[in-house]
Amino acid sequence: ETGVTQTPRHLVMGMTNKKSLKCEQHLGHNAMYWYKQSAKKPLELMFVYNFKEQTENNSVPSRFSPECPNSSHLFLHLHTLQPEDSALYLCASSHPGLGNEQFFGPGTRLTVL
Amino acid sequence: DQQVKQNSPSLSVQEGRISILNCDYTNSMFDYFLWYKKYPAEGPTFLISISSIKDKNEDGRFTVFLNKSAKHLSLHIVPSQPGDSAVYFCAAGGSNYKLTFGKGTLLTVNP
Repeated sequence: ETGVTQTPRHLVMGMTNKKSLKCEQHLGHNAMYWYKQSAKKPLELMFVYNFKEQTENNSVPSRFSPECPNSSHLFLHLHTLQPEDSALYLCASSHPGLGNEQFFGPGTRLTVL
Repeated sequence: DQQVKQNSPSLSVQEGRISILNCDYTNSMFDYFLWYKKYPAEGPTFLISISSIKDKNEDGRFTVFLNKSAKHLSLHIVPSQPGDSAVYFCAAGGSNYKLTFGKGTLLTVNP
């Protein structure tokens, strides 16, 4: 499989559930990102990992917990979410460095009931 | 405060004509810019980029123009094709490797 893959593609969860989103990249990149896209809003950067180390946390609430076990995999662990957290969650990867384009996965459409 | 603005939520053009998508930014520290295209149920796909040392970059039917003094960039698609119908996002980056995205413009190319 090539590119950036994300699972699941759709997720419905209650506010008390715990779930995880998974991202995998097959491009040999060393930087990985989580973005959130809400309706009628720009993509919002959530987290950045470079060489498995978190280098950016864009003031994301602690109910979102990222994990990057290696340069190819990125997880977003979710717990006690709110309905306003319903959004499209996109994973991306790139070579670290100025001007390098990010390659996106198809996203996970999350609905919190 | 939005640092990257795409003021037109939608644009409709006829097949074969030129599509011009616009983007404005406020942060003078941005030094490279990218355009992404997004189809429904897919992630954004990189289209074309430009660094601040250039004012034009061309790739096939796609050309990006950068006017640094006006803090404005545009994407030209010539000729437009129905398959170009998608949401187009402008993004800007600086030395910290973070990208800041606009809200997107929905382009519809009519046959």
